[in-house]
Parts: sequence; structure tokens; C-alpha cells
Amino acid sequence: QKEVEQNSGPLSVPEGAIASLNCTYSDRGSQSFFWYRQYSGKSPELIMFIYSNGDKEDGRFTAQLNKASQYVSLLIRDSQPSDSATYLCAVYPARQLTFGSGTQLTVLP
Amino acid sequence: DAGVTQSPTHLIKTRGQHVTLRCSPISGHKSVSWYQQVLGQGPQFIFQYYEKEERGRGNFPDRFSARQFPNYSSELNVNALLLGDSALYLCASSRADNEQFFGPGTRLTVL
Repeated sequence: QKEVEQNSGPLSVPEGAIASLNCTYSDRGSQSFFWYRQYSGKSPELIMFIYSNGDKEDGRFTAQLNKASQYVSLLIRDSQPSDSATYLCAVYPARQLTFGSGTQLTVLP
Repeated sequence: DAGVTQSPTHLIKTRGQHVTLRCSPISGHKSVSWYQQVLGQGPQFIFQYYEKEERGRGNFPDRFSARQFPNYSSELNVNALLLGDSALYLCASSRADNEQFFGPGTRLTVL
């Protein structure tokens, strides 16, 4: 079992819709959770981090964490074509940021 | 403030050669981590340094080594290059054990 699992996609949503990206992790000791956005040919860009159970909102982005279910998600409201990218979930169990393989999101105009 | 910088941007080497990649962290950040990213995969952790001490090492062979300097910049060295070492090498900086910010990366091609 991979330590951090994401659906590879591709996930396509129409412009203005809500995009929902999901991630599960195996290490119950994980304390910190991150979402990075990576455009093709570029490096990952940190867009959200969450440390506590529940929801955390930042603009159009909402991160949701459920430690009991070992599940973290990212919602993107009012999706725009510029949101088209690969979204990487990362978990910080012990000084080693562990990434999933990423979900490729395409927002269709 | 300037972000994380890495050099060089691109590099082409042949098998068996050695390579040194460089990274300067965000001002005030004392931790530098190195990652390898191959196409279609998420970044894989190689090393983390904090205050010049190695704090973590990923599952990479001893051909990979790194160090951190008093100004918190860092070098990643790879010896005896293999074709499979071709990848994007990413450096990330953080204040300590928290959010990491990535540099633009060095794309290494081994022929």
C-alpha cells in the first residue's frame, strides 16, 4: 500500500463548478497535511496546509481533514481554466514530506 | 522577498559522471530539503538539512550526498550517474518542520 494515495485522474470539471480532490494516507502519526499545485514543467506551489481535523478555507480553496478516516481533501470552488494543473497531496509524518502521485485536473471553458 | 533559487536550471551529463546541484533558501529559512521528481510521479524525498545537520534521508543510494553551509544554502551531489537519475531535482526551504516552499528545480538529463 502506498503511503499517500490519490486518484491520478484526469479529472475534468466545467468552468464555475466545484472540483473535489481526494487523498488518503497510511501513517496514523501524520500531523501536517499539504496541497501543492504543479503546472506542467514547473515546480510545486504550496496552496493549502491543514493541521487540525475539520475544514480550512482560503479564498476559493477549502481543505478538509479527517484523521480518524486518514483522509484529506481539497475543494476548489468556482473552478477556472487557470486551475488546470496537477494537484499533489503531501503528508508530513516524521520530517519527511511524502507525496502522492498527484491528480491531474482540467477545467473546461 | 526572493523565493528559493536553484542552479543550474538544466544540466546534461553522461553516465558515470558526477553532478552538483545548488540551492539557496528563502531568507530566514534554516531548513533545506531535496526531492527527486520523475515524470508522472510526486516528488520523492532525498535529504533534509536543518542548521547544517542532516535530519532525514530518504531511500536513495549512497551515490547521493548533500550538505548545508553556514548561510543555509545547500548542495546535492550525485556520483556515478545512471540513466535512471534523469529527473527534476527540487529544493524546498522551510523555517523548521512546517510548510515547505519549492524552488524552480534543476532538470537533469543523463545520456
